[in-house]
Amino acid sequence: EVQLVESGGGFVQPGGSLRLSCVASGFTFNIYSMNWVRQAPGKGLEWVSYISSTSSSTYYADSVKGRFTISRDNAQNSLFLQMNSLRVEDTAVYYCARDEGDYYVHWGQGALVTVSS
Amino acid sequence: SYELTQPPSVSVSPGQTARITCSGDALPKKYAYWYQQKSGQAPVLVIYEDIKRPSGIPERFSGSSSGTMATLTISGAQVEDEADYYCSSTDSSSGNPNWVFGGGTKLTVL
Repeated sequence: EVQLVESGGGFVQPGGSLRLSCVASGFTFNIYSMNWVRQAPGKGLEWVSYISSTSSSTYYADSVKGRFTISRDNAQNSLFLQMNSLRVEDTAVYYCARDEGDYYVHWGQGALVTVSS
Repeated sequence: SYELTQPPSVSVSPGQTARITCSGDALPKKYAYWYQQKSGQAPVLVIYEDIKRPSGIPERFSGSSSGTMATLTISGAQVEDEADYYCSSTDSSSGNPNWVFGGGTKLTVL
């Protein structure tokens, strides 16, 4: 069974940093591209970032470019999102999602990030 | 930036057909994908590549696409289909790929 489990969410002040992790199991992690998708409270879904299976390609939404960094450790079946210079508008549930070719079948349960003073 | 436009809400009675539209300039060239999200849960893919239904998704869910509009149709909507529905597609007009979601449509079945 495919499982994606996020961790690392929490409360942080504006300008602070946080690192999210997503541990994968039940599939061969190193052959799949991965994504982060977020959802602000009461709002819609927003794609955040993509990383290819070998980390050779990474892409970011304009709203996080230059502040967030996606990475992965295939030996540890893990995906990461380093979030710096956090803003109030970054408050959201962050989901990791396995890439199936422009869409997502498998999602984690989400990690809540709250940015507030 | 590229946008996908959905109606904020759609309401039907149980057993009726619900249609949710998604409008985007690139849809004639790009596939549309549809997700169902119930309160407090992660999204679930219900349609991919415009018309395909993943295994485990009821046959009452179908998709279509024509020109700049994609449509999710729920034939004989059930109370359990009440949820938020999001369309998604891709955009490469800026040079890098960008995965885009519509604003979401709240489907009420009552």
